[in-house]
Amino acid sequence: QSVLTQPPSASGTPGQSVSISCSGSSSNIGGNYVSWFQQLPGAAPKLIIFRNSQWPSGVPDRFSGFKSGTSASLTISGLRSEDEATYYCATWDGSLSGRVFGGGTKLAVL
Amino acid sequence: QVRLVQSAGEVKRPGASVKVSCKTSGYPFAEYGMSWVRQAPGQGLEWMAWISVYSGNTNFAQKFRGRVTLTSDRSTSTVYMELTDLTSDDTGLYFCAREESRDFWRGSTLDSWGQGSLVTVAP
Repeated sequence: QSVLTQPPSASGTPGQSVSISCSGSSSNIGGNYVSWFQQLPGAAPKLIIFRNSQWPSGVPDRFSGFKSGTSASLTISGLRSEDEATYYCATWDGSLSGRVFGGGTKLAVL
Repeated sequence: QVRLVQSAGEVKRPGASVKVSCKTSGYPFAEYGMSWVRQAPGQGLEWMAWISVYSGNTNFAQKFRGRVTLTSDRSTSTVYMELTDLTSDDTGLYFCAREESRDFWRGSTLDSWGQGSLVTVAP
C-alpha cells in the first residue's frame, strides 16, 4: 500500500487531454514539492515535472503539474501514442523521513 | 551529457549480499547526491536510500536501515549500494538516480537515472 494514492489506470485518445491525480497528506504532499516520473515499458523512469510544476530541460510543455493542499495532478495535453507509459508521483514524507512514491498510473492511449 | 551506468544483474542465494555499482560521467561527481530506488517485478517504485557524495552522509528508508550500505569512490566517480541478508522479497530491479542537491534536502528530486540492475534471489 503506497503512501501516495494514484489511480491504477487512465486512458485517452490521441489529441485529448488526460489528468492523473496523486493524493497524500500534510506530512508529505502538504508540506513538500511533488515530482512526476514517466516510465516507458522496459525503461528506467524519467523526470518530467519537479517542484510541483517545473519542467526539466527537454520535456515538452504538453506535460503540466499542479499541486493544491495535499493533492497533486499531472495533465498531459495533446495526447500521443508515445505517452503510453506508467506515471509516478513522488515527494518527501516528514513522518517517515524518506521519499515516497505513488503506486503508479498506467496510461493507455487508445 | 549525464550518464549513470550500472553493473550487470546478479543471481544470489537467500542470506547472501549483493553490491551494485553506478558509474557516473558528464557532471562534477561530488556536487550531486545519489539515491537508490527498487522496483519489484511488476510493481511500483520504492525509495531505499540516499548518499551525499560530498559529505558521505546517508539517509535510509526505515525498511532498509541496517541492511543497506552506500559508499562512493571519487577516483572512479562511482557509487555503490550493498544489500545484505537477501530474501526472495529483494528480487527486483535496482536503480541509481542522481539527486539534484549536493546535500540532503527534502525538496530535491531525482533528475537522472541509471538503466537498472536486476537482482534475483533464488535458492
